[in-house]
Amino acid sequence: NAGVTQTPKFQVLKTGQSMTLQCAQDMNHEYMSWYRQDPGMGLRLIHYSVGAGITDQGEVPNGYNVSRSTTEDFPLRLLSAAPSQTSVYFCASSYGGGPSYNEQFFGPGTRLTVL
Amino acid sequence: KNEVEQSPQNLTAQEGEFITINCSYSVGISALHWLQQHPGGGIVSLFMLSSGKKKHGRLIATINIQEKHSSLHITASHPRDSAVYICAVRSKETSGSRLTFGEGTQLTVNP
Repeated sequence: NAGVTQTPKFQVLKTGQSMTLQCAQDMNHEYMSWYRQDPGMGLRLIHYSVGAGITDQGEVPNGYNVSRSTTEDFPLRLLSAAPSQTSVYFCASSYGGGPSYNEQFFGPGTRLTVL
Repeated sequence: KNEVEQSPQNLTAQEGEFITINCSYSVGISALHWLQQHPGGGIVSLFMLSSGKKKHGRLIATINIQEKHSSLHITASHPRDSAVYICAVRSKETSGSRLTFGEGTQLTVNP
């Protein structure tokens, strides 16, 4: 199993550009989530999904969209990149009801810089 | 005040020492996670617990629900244990399956 994969690993954008961060898992996990990690702050939840076709907002959803058309994939879209979105982004997945009941498996992260 | 507070923020130890990292939280929880973030950035789940104590190799995690406190212990520490250790809680008071994360404890173990 590859576990949780993320692409790209690094990305530089200009303000106003859009892009999609890819996340995929091959463990048949229902629960998937996106976090951002910024210096001096803990990981913060952006969006999450409890199954294909079901998504919900996390703590910091503004400026991001998600969709979950398959169990395996959970892409994160930046609609119009802003310097405040410079961060490291992690995708995570877990079995069943999510981190209330199960450990999470994290992808390797995407380091995004918005100029 | 953050919902999840970790102490210390930074910890330096000599190889072989016993390490304790603390996590205090202010809300009722249904689960607490300990995570390890490697120097390269990857994050690994170490423990998930809702009561008592769990052990895996040289790592031990304990939780006291009444005191809203958890500890992560590392016995016979080794330089390869150098990492950021993160505590996260699943609050009973929030909807969905959200975790609230502490800022992490940077551990450096010197040979």
